[in-house]
Amino acid sequence: DAGVIQSPRHEVTEMGQEVTLRCKPISGHNSLFWYRQTMMRGLELLIYFNNNVPIDDSGMPEDRFSAKMPNASFSTLKIQPSEPRDSAVYFCASSTGTSADTQYFGPGTRLTVL
Amino acid sequence: AQSVTQLDSQVPVFEEAPVELRCNYSSSVSVYLFWYVQYPNQGLQLLLKYLSGSTLVESINGFEAEFNKSQTSFHLRKPSVHISDTAEYFCAVSFHNNNDMRFGAGTRLTVKP
Repeated sequence: DAGVIQSPRHEVTEMGQEVTLRCKPISGHNSLFWYRQTMMRGLELLIYFNNNVPIDDSGMPEDRFSAKMPNASFSTLKIQPSEPRDSAVYFCASSTGTSADTQYFGPGTRLTVL
Repeated sequence: AQSVTQLDSQVPVFEEAPVELRCNYSSSVSVYLFWYVQYPNQGLQLLLKYLSGSTLVESINGFEAEFNKSQTSFHLRKPSVHISDTAEYFCAVSFHNNNDMRFGAGTRLTVKP
């Protein structure tokens, strides 16, 4: 199994630009999670999906952030417009969909907004 | 309120010394407990988890954690650490009534020669 796949691995952009992060969960997993990790705030849950439906987006910082899951094998996290304070490592994780299940993390996307 | 607290942000130890990383949680419902490890420039990966049964759980690389319900704790221990154990360790809690998982702030374990 290839594990959770994220792209790009690194992204450098300028303030005001649109950024799209991509995630392919493990095949057969029903839940998908987006996290953001920074030194200051640690690991924060942004949003999670169950069976492609957003269940909890209370962690999405503001309207500049949006996430979609058009099908079971693909999700995107978009930031428009990006700001320097969005610089962080963004992780996608997937699980089989119950609270007892392990979450499997992707390698992350390191975003730098100049 | 449901939360996870890791009491130490950094733990430096010498190689072959014992280590304990502390984790406490608060919850009004039953929980499942996890420890994840993050090596530099990688995503988190599961180290061990407690779901039910024996309160002592072990990982394949010598770590163990014990669920203590009365103290609402799930401390991680290893009797003798290696340089390769240097990483950040996250305690996490999920709740029986939903799929949400809460992570602690992390403890950076640094093993020195």
